[in-house]
Order: sequence, then structure tokens, then C-alpha cells
Amino acid sequence: KQEVTQIPAALSVPEGENLVLNCSFTDSAIYNLQWFRQDPGKGLTSLLLIQSSQREQTSGRLNASLDKSSGRSTLYIAASQPGDSATYLCAVNQGAQKLVFGQGTRLTINP
Amino acid sequence: DTAVSQTPKYLVTQMGNDKSIKCEQNLGHDTMYWYKQDSKKFLKIMFSYNNKELIINETVPNRFSPKSPDKAHLNLHINSLELGDSAVYFCASSHGTRGPLEETQYFGPGTRLLVL
Repeated sequence: KQEVTQIPAALSVPEGENLVLNCSFTDSAIYNLQWFRQDPGKGLTSLLLIQSSQREQTSGRLNASLDKSSGRSTLYIAASQPGDSATYLCAVNQGAQKLVFGQGTRLTINP
Repeated sequence: DTAVSQTPKYLVTQMGNDKSIKCEQNLGHDTMYWYKQDSKKFLKIMFSYNNKELIINETVPNRFSPKSPDKAHLNLHINSLELGDSAVYFCASSHGTRGPLEETQYFGPGTRLLVL
């Protein structure tokens, strides 16, 4: 049974810092991995999707990496801003579009 | 224009009642999903439909019945509501399976259900 773990559960950093969020999964047989952002009381917004054959994806200040064999992914956020404060969720696609989510990392960027 | 919309946004009801949550997507996607996010914030898939056909049905009590009148809509009907059904329910959609490449899922804003 696939299990997805995100560390840390919460993170608070000053504005401007670079930071890394971690995601690990127990079963490396995945189709892709996605990072989402969830704002309080709102739905999820997809940030990046990495196919199983890829090593990383970049979008603006965000960079996600994937090491499928070791069951790890990281989300790197450069030059953090207060608007980046949210919960970040990692999800692996087991096939047939079935996503298994981690519990999320609650990120706070302090001005 | 809202890509994936859900109604209602909030739902407060008594135990034992029957309720429905509606979901609509205007993205032209073939596949739609229902997820449940519990009090510990874990998101778990409940169902998925592709072109009105049930694809995924996780271990969900049969009090929960999805209904897809067309591929743009996937409604969730819940019978005999229980206290443990209190959660946030999210609808999502995607283009659907395309060979080995899967597509990003787009989520609705969620329906916050509270059973008293």
C-alpha cells in the first residue's frame, strides 16, 4: 500500500529565504508526482507535475525534483514571499489517475 | 469563469439525513473525481468517473453514491449521514487517461460538510 510522507509538517521562514519541502513515498511504481498548493478554506492548485521518466520540473521560482528509485521528491522555493504562505501537498499517481496524497507541509513566510 | 465548481460551499445537517453535493466542470475533461479531506487534513480519493463510467471506487460505504448525468457533472449523494462523514469534499477533473502520460487534476473549492 502506497504511503506518502511530507516533512516537515510545518515550516516558518523569513521572507526572501530559499527553502526545500520534502516528500517521500514507499512504492516507486508511480506514473507521476504532483505538487499542489492549498490556501485556507480553498481548493487545491496544481503547481508542478513530474512524469516518472523526468528528474525535475521548473515553474518560475519553483523547482521540483524526483528520484523515483529512492522514493523521494523535493520542492524548492526560491526567494520566498509572504504570498507563498499556504499548505503544500505532494501526491503520487498510482495509475488510472489515482492520486495518493501526503499530509502536507504548512508553510508560513514572515514579512 | 470557474473551471471546477461545487455546490453548496457549506452544508450543515442532522445525522440520518440524505444530502447531495453537486460538481460541474467546464474544461471539457473526460474524467472527474471525488476526494474527502478529513479533520487531520488527509486527502483521499473516493471515486473517479471517465465519460460517465465508474473507474475508481475506493473503500467507501455504500451510503455514498456518485451520479454522473453527463461527463461535465459528477454529483455525490450521501444517505443516512453519520457524524464521521463531517469533512471537506473536493471534486476534481482531468483530461483522462492518455496512454502512459497522465494529466494534471484540477480541483474545485470544496464543500464543507458538518453533520450534527
